[in-house]
Amino acid sequence: DGGITQSPKYLFRKEGQNVTLSCEQNLNHDAMYWYRQDPGQGLRLIYYSQIVNDFQKGDIAEGYSVSREKKESFPLTVTSAQKNPTAFYLCASSTTGDYGYTFGSGTRLTVV
Amino acid sequence: AQSVSQHNHHVILSEAASLELGCNYSYGGTVNLFWYVQYPGQHLQLLLKYFSGDPLVKGIKGFEAEFIKSKFSFNLRKPSVQWSDTAEYFCAVNGNTGGFKTIFGAGTRLFVKA
Repeated sequence: DGGITQSPKYLFRKEGQNVTLSCEQNLNHDAMYWYRQDPGQGLRLIYYSQIVNDFQKGDIAEGYSVSREKKESFPLTVTSAQKNPTAFYLCASSTTGDYGYTFGSGTRLTVV
Repeated sequence: AQSVSQHNHHVILSEAASLELGCNYSYGGTVNLFWYVQYPGQHLQLLLKYFSGDPLVKGIKGFEAEFIKSKFSFNLRKPSVQWSDTAEYFCAVNGNTGGFKTIFGAGTRLFVKA
């Protein structure tokens, strides 16, 4: 079955460490996105990519970085510069011209 | 800037009651509108979407939404809810100049009492 795989499901890191969240899709979707979900705030866009080797900052990109070397993969790195990294991170994808998203199951990151 | 406002953060209903969740957006141009649902322990999934045409959109599981352009609204409705509709519901907007950026509302948690 086609879908989006995010790993790991839970991640614990010490403050000051960088951590990379994985997102892989086999839907042949061109566009991929990273959102952060916090209670009572909905989903906020971190980064998005429309094609390979290209990506744009979303509304809360500070302290995060991404790469898009393959169509299927869009990893997110949470750097030590992110002031409040503990959150639930969601990856999504869509086809060109259809902005309805397919979401992954998410990664819950806890920084201690 | 685009924004999405969902009127209620928490809604509690009894089974068979009618549901209407409010959603208003702020954007002056052409928009694509969505409702997503997140059932407990499951992925966010698309419930329904509006791109153009008939402003009354039907989605999965008996849900529908009506786009009222003059009111900048896209309210979600269901005539008779079931216990299995307990979930969090998100309204989302993508403007024609927003590219691939979709803005989400804060979500509404619905609890249906059996």
